[in-house]
Amino acid sequence: DAGVIQSPRHEVTEMGQEVTLRCKPISGHNSLFWYRQTMMRGLELLIYFNNNVPIDDSGMPEDRFSAKMPNASFSTLKIQPSEPRDSAVYFCASKVTGVNTEAFFGQGTRLTVV
Amino acid sequence: TQLLEQSPQFLSIQEGENLTVYCNSSSVFSSLQWYRQEPGEGPVLLVTVVTGGEVKKLKRLTFQFGDARKDSSLHITAAQPGDTGLYLCAGAIGTYKYIFGTGTRLKVLA
Repeated sequence: DAGVIQSPRHEVTEMGQEVTLRCKPISGHNSLFWYRQTMMRGLELLIYFNNNVPIDDSGMPEDRFSAKMPNASFSTLKIQPSEPRDSAVYFCASKVTGVNTEAFFGQGTRLTVV
Repeated sequence: TQLLEQSPQFLSIQEGENLTVYCNSSSVFSSLQWYRQEPGEGPVLLVTVVTGGEVKKLKRLTFQFGDARKDSSLHITAAQPGDTGLYLCAGAIGTYKYIFGTGTRLKVLA
């Protein structure tokens, strides 16, 4: 298996533009997570999907952020409009639902908003 | 707010030395995981500890979960340059949510 695939790996955009990050989870995994990592705040959970349904979006910073999972093999995280403080590395992770099952992370998307 | 503090924040040591990284919280966790993250990559799971007082070994790495399930330690024996990376602990809240620690950045010099 190729693992969790994220695209793009790097994104540089101007403030105010829309940004869409993409994730393909590992086949057979029915839990999907979006995280954000910064030096100041570390790794933070943004949203959790189970069987394509958003279960917990309490970590989504504000209305500018939205996430979808239209099917079991694809998810997007959209920021509109983007701001410089959104600059971070965004990770997608997937796992088989269950307590203490292993989550597999993608390589991340490094977002820079200028 | 649940918080996981890791110490030290940074550590630079010579190859062959031993080290211990700590992960502390005032909250009780149902389980705790340790990850290693290399530059440009996502975190990779090393171990999950579940029972208070549990000790797990992974080659030269020894992981311990505190008796009260509020803290954990990672001990590396005879560190090697390949051990270099960011070490993260993560405490489980409920069935799916993990709170990640502040991280320990380790550099092992050859």
